[in-house]
Amino acid sequence: NAGVTQTPKFRILKIGQSMTLQCTQDMNHNYMYWYRQDPGMGLKLIYYSVGAGITDKGEVPNGYNVSRSTTEDFPLRLELAAPSQTSVYFCASSYQKEGSPLHFGNGTRLTVT
Amino acid sequence: GQNIDQPTEMTATEGAIVQINCTYQTSGFNGLFWYQQHAGEAPTFLSYNVLDGLEEKGRFSSFLSRSKGYSYLLLKELQMKDSASYLCAVMDSNYQLIWGAGTKLIIKP
Repeated sequence: NAGVTQTPKFRILKIGQSMTLQCTQDMNHNYMYWYRQDPGMGLKLIYYSVGAGITDKGEVPNGYNVSRSTTEDFPLRLELAAPSQTSVYFCASSYQKEGSPLHFGNGTRLTVT
Repeated sequence: GQNIDQPTEMTATEGAIVQINCTYQTSGFNGLFWYQQHAGEAPTFLSYNVLDGLEEKGRFSSFLSRSKGYSYLLLKELQMKDSASYLCAVMDSNYQLIWGAGTKLIIKP
C-alpha cells in the first residue's frame, strides 16, 4: 500500500518556466489537497478537491492550477514560476471532510531562481 | 482573522515529560489535530480532539478545552526519536484546516 506518492522530490526552475507536480493516492480517498510549507509558517492550502471533477481554491491559489480527472490523481501545475513559489509542496488526502486525518506525500522541494 | 499560536521551540531531556501548548482563535471549531514532522519529512498524524478532555495514546496524550481555545500535546518518557516539529491544526466552521507554524522540539541526552 503506497499511500500518497508525490514526484519529483526536488526541482530547480528558472523564473518563467512551468512544471507539474504529480500526486497520486491508492487509498480511494475522495478528498485531496495541495499545501505549501514555508519556514516559520503554518501549512498553507493552495487547492483542494472533494472528488473527481471537482476542485476549489484554497488560501493561496495564485500562480497555480489543478485538475482532478480521476479519484487517484491530483496534479498541481505551476505556470510562469516566480521566486515567491520557492517552497516545499505537500500533497495530502483524507477519507472524509470531518475528523479524518490527512495522509501526506513525501513532499517536493522546489527552488525558483 | 484566524490564528493558531504555538511556541517556536522547546528543549527537553531524554526520559522526561514535555507539554506543547496550542491556543487558537478560529471561525468555528470542528476538531483539532496534532501532527509530528521530522526534519525533511512529511507530517504524520498523532491525535484528534473534538470534545473537551484528554485523549491518551501510548506515550502521547492530547488535551482540549474548547471554551478556552486551548490544547496541549503531552509527551512522556521522551526518546531521542521524538526530536521533531509538532504541528497543531484546527478545523474551522468551513471544514478548512488552519495550521500553526509548529513547535520544534529538541531532545537532549
